[in-house]
Formats: sequence, C-alpha cells, structure tokens
Amino acid sequence: DSGVTQTPKHLITATGQRVTLRCSPRSGDLSVYWYQQSLDQGLQFLIQYYNGEERAKGNILERFSAQQFPDLHSELNLSSLELGDSALYFCASSVAPGVGGEKLFFGSGTQLSVL
Amino acid sequence: DQQVKQNSPSLSVQEGRISILNCDYTNSMFDYFLWYKKYPAEGPTFLISISSIKDKNEDGRFTVFLNKSAKHLSLHIVPSQPGDSAVYFCAGRLYNTDKLIFGTGTRLQVFP
Repeated sequence: DSGVTQTPKHLITATGQRVTLRCSPRSGDLSVYWYQQSLDQGLQFLIQYYNGEERAKGNILERFSAQQFPDLHSELNLSSLELGDSALYFCASSVAPGVGGEKLFFGSGTQLSVL
Repeated sequence: DQQVKQNSPSLSVQEGRISILNCDYTNSMFDYFLWYKKYPAEGPTFLISISSIKDKNEDGRFTVFLNKSAKHLSLHIVPSQPGDSAVYFCAGRLYNTDKLIFGTGTRLQVFP
C-alpha cells in the first residue's frame, strides 16, 4: 500500500460527459502529480501541484483541469469526454519538490471508460 | 517525440537467471533515472534510481547501469524470481524539475 488513495477505481461514462477523479496523497506529502496511461503507452505526465499551487504542466488538454485543496487532496476534472480519453489515470505524491522528489508514490489508479 | 524508449515490450526469463531490462533516452536534460515496477491492478512502485553523475547503483538483487555516452540504461535483476514478474517502467527526471518522463514499459515474466 503506497498510502496514496484514488477514487473511484472504475468509472464508466458517455461521450460529452464530465467526471471528477479524486486523490488523497500520502500523509505529509505536499506534492501531487497526475499521469495518464493509455493502452500500450507509457505514463504521460499531466500536471503537478505543490502545496495548493500549480507547479508544472505537461500534456494536459484544455478540457482537463485540476486543483489541490488546502487539505492537500487533489481532483482532476475531465470534461466534454471523448472516446480517446479512455485510460488509466494515476495520481502520485512526493514529499516535496527537490527533496527525494524523484521518488513518486502512486495510487492504484482510476480506470476511465468513455462509451 | 518519445524521450525515453523501452524497445522490448516483453521479456521471459527462467527463475534464478539474470533479467536485463533496457532503456534508451534521447534527452540529455535528465538528472535522475528511475525504475518502477507495476503489478496488475496496482500503481507503479519505485524500485531503484540512479543519478546522472553515477554509472552504477545497486540495491540487493537490483542493479542499474547508466551509460551516458550511449544514452542507455539497464536494470539487472539477479537472481530472477517469479515474484519479479511485472511490468517495468524506466523514467527520466528532467533536470531541476519533478517531471518524470516514462518509457512504455517492458513486461517481465519469470518462469520456474
């Protein structure tokens, strides 16, 4: 158990809909990352938050947004969903940037299926 | 533009033998390289890392080798055990950031 909690584990929805994925980082971790893994693809970095502030942005679509709340949990919002958004979405956390920050602890992921 | 490449999607090794997983990178702006292991229905778990200024790091049965001139790293598992059967991802951390760039993974199967 990594200590990172992601809910829900599975999500099935239709095209055009909006969903919210939730992540609770490990206790004491201030940094949260979101990654997307599509079929036969590596993990693609989407976005990073540190202590409530956006710190780095990757290949995140404009239809996607995220935030980190004062209690450090994070949510990834996906809107106007398309078939191609079907993927495994991982949340990860780390202590803090630059302090063992290369070691990420991953949740077990949310499997999103867009039908 | 894939900056970290794992060209072998799968590898099958007999228990007790050495497993060698390979990874190539094209970007010289990585300051750390990491290996993660992933079991089905679980998230990736950190296995071992190496700083870009080193050429070898060892942790028990796991050793990572870095060849900067060839932009190549490899993970050696000796001896391989059935419990090592998983998907292995290599990743590079972009210098002075926390952004990890992952390869597509290699599925290792260790058979008795």
